Amino acid sequence: ETGVTQSPTHLIKTRGQQVTLRCSSQSGHNTVSWYQQALGQGPQFIFQYYREEENGRGNFPPRFSGLQFPNYSSELNVNALELDDSALYLCASSLEIAGLQETQYFGPGTRLLVL
Amino acid sequence: AQKITQTQPGMFVQEKEAVTLDCTYDTSDPSYGLFWYKQPSSGEMIFLIYQGSYDQQNATEGRYSLNFQKARKSANLVISASQLGDSAMYFCAMREGPGSGGGADGLTFGKGTHLIIQP
Repeated sequence: ETGVTQSPTHLIKTRGQQVTLRCSSQSGHNTVSWYQQALGQGPQFIFQYYREEENGRGNFPPRFSGLQFPNYSSELNVNALELDDSALYLCASSLEIAGLQETQYFGPGTRLLVL
Repeated sequence: AQKITQTQPGMFVQEKEAVTLDCTYDTSDPSYGLFWYKQPSSGEMIFLIYQGSYDQQNATEGRYSLNFQKARKSANLVISASQLGDSAMYFCAMREGPGSGGGADGLTFGKGTHLIIQP
């Protein structure tokens, strides 16, 4: 096990609602990345947080937002949910030192279903 | 253009045989890293092995080895003596830029190969 935890494990929402997903990073890690994995696809990078600031973002609209807390845990917020947001959301933590980032370790994911 | 290409959607392999999972990549960045992750049906992505673009030797981790052919831009995963527990989705991923992690642009994943080990 990686030590990266995510909650909740499963979630069902309806279109237009808002959702918050949570991630606790592995001890000693200071960077958190979020990925969306649609059924039958590889994960797609959403964004990354380092020192409580977003420092990288993939091709996702602004209704996908996040936070990182002083203890390096993180939240992913999605507003105005759409049916296509149904996916497995993966959080990964890593250690960044002097601008170099080490291997990312993933949590078990949150399965979101939007009806 | 796809940055990571995995051409084998599915593979069936007999237990105890070796298996090679193909991965080709596309980047113009001289500094990059290549990763393989295993994803069982439970969903968690399990890190298997890493190869940096400047590494002189192919990476090995237990039964896993990475056949890195830089000129051909390929990074195939070799699993020796396959076991039933190896049945899972396998993803090849790339980081462009320094460091072995994702960098500010995250990891780019392929579409994966579904490996099934038969007894």
